[in-house]
Amino acid sequence: EVQLVESGGGLVQPGGSLRLSCAASGFTLRRYDMSWVRQAPGKGLEWVSAIGGSAGNTYYADSVKGRFTISRDTSKNTLSLQMNSLRAEDTAVYHCARDNVPESFDIWGQGTMVTVSS
Amino acid sequence: ETVLTQSPGTLSLSPGERATLSCRASQSVNSNYLAWFQQKPGQAPRLLIYGASSRATGIPDRFSGSGSGTDFTLTISRLEPEDFAVYYCQQYGNSYTFGQGTKLEIK
Repeated sequence: EVQLVESGGGLVQPGGSLRLSCAASGFTLRRYDMSWVRQAPGKGLEWVSAIGGSAGNTYYADSVKGRFTISRDTSKNTLSLQMNSLRAEDTAVYHCARDNVPESFDIWGQGTMVTVSS
Repeated sequence: ETVLTQSPGTLSLSPGERATLSCRASQSVNSNYLAWFQQKPGQAPRLLIYGASSRATGIPDRFSGSGSGTDFTLTISRLEPEDFAVYYCQQYGNSYTFGQGTKLEIK
């Protein structure tokens, strides 16, 4: 079964760091572009970051550029998001998603909650 | 950045009725790379439509997408009880952006 499962969320103080993981099963992660998308409580969807399947180029929303780093471990078939200098406005459920061009985000994980609060 | 504006914000209809949701882009969407997602409370979004008008795998044919350039529409021909949810459009032709969502509620 094709599946994505996120982990690593939790409560962190402003200015702190957290690393999210997304385990892929049923497909080879490096063959696809992959993204992180977040959703603040009661709000809409916001694209955060992407990594290209072939060359591994990385892309970021302006709101997280310089603070977040996306990466992948091909040996573990896992996607990661390193989040530094966290702010209250980063509080959200973070989903990883597979970008099956030209079909857009066809597979999503259930998400992991990140709360930034003192 | 391509801004997507969805209308209406909330749509109140009854099962069996037809739903028409709109998504307008601030600039032309490259290659008509426009997708629609459905999201229910506590669940991940589900891909319904990609490339403006192609149904994703397993999506019932009561869902259809149309449009090009800057104006796009999602139509649900006859609403089923399970269709009441929040719907988002997304452009993926120039980076990625989402619309703010349309809540489809039972009247």
